[in-house]
Amino acid sequence: GAGVSQSPSNKVTEKGKDVELRCDPISGHTALYWYRQSLGQGLEFLIYFQGNSAPDKSGLPSDRFSAERTGGSVSTLTIQRTQQEDSAVYLCASSFRTGTYEQYFGPGTRLTVT
Amino acid sequence: KNEVEQSPQNLTAQEGEFITINCSYSVGISALHWLQQHPGGGIVSLFMLSSGKKKHGRLIATINIQEKHSSLHITASHPRDSAVYICAVYANDMRFGAGTRLTVKP
Repeated sequence: GAGVSQSPSNKVTEKGKDVELRCDPISGHTALYWYRQSLGQGLEFLIYFQGNSAPDKSGLPSDRFSAERTGGSVSTLTIQRTQQEDSAVYLCASSFRTGTYEQYFGPGTRLTVT
Repeated sequence: KNEVEQSPQNLTAQEGEFITINCSYSVGISALHWLQQHPGGGIVSLFMLSSGKKKHGRLIATINIQEKHSSLHITASHPRDSAVYICAVYANDMRFGAGTRLTVKP
């Protein structure tokens, strides 16, 4: 069975450009999470979606970050006007629902802003 | 003070040793996760606990809700257990510990 997939696996972009990162969750999982892991740092929660409810955006570090989830499945994380401090591995996870359900992680997208 | 504290930060063990990694948290939670991150970066969920104890192979996880504390134990450790182990708590969103880097030497 397919796990969580993310694309691209690596992205190098110039400072100031916009980037889009994609996450395909496990089929049937209604909850989808985005996390960030900066080099040598711990994991940081960014945003989660549960079904058709409004997403919890409380972890987004600035208004340059936004995320969508179309049709309750695929999600896109967009970073506008990228900065060097945005360089990190962006991880997506999905679970059956939010709360007390195991999360399954994708392989991540390594973003480098030059 | 971080909401999720792990100890130790780094741990080196000889193959076969019994390993314990601790996690303390300061917020009310509905679940606690133990994650394993391999050197290549991939993350695997090992356990999700809301009470008691769970066992999977050589791995055991316990949680004490009253004391806001969880432990991850590895019995008969092996070099392939070398990874970063991350404690995460779910309280409306996920909060993560800084991780424990485990190295098991043959």
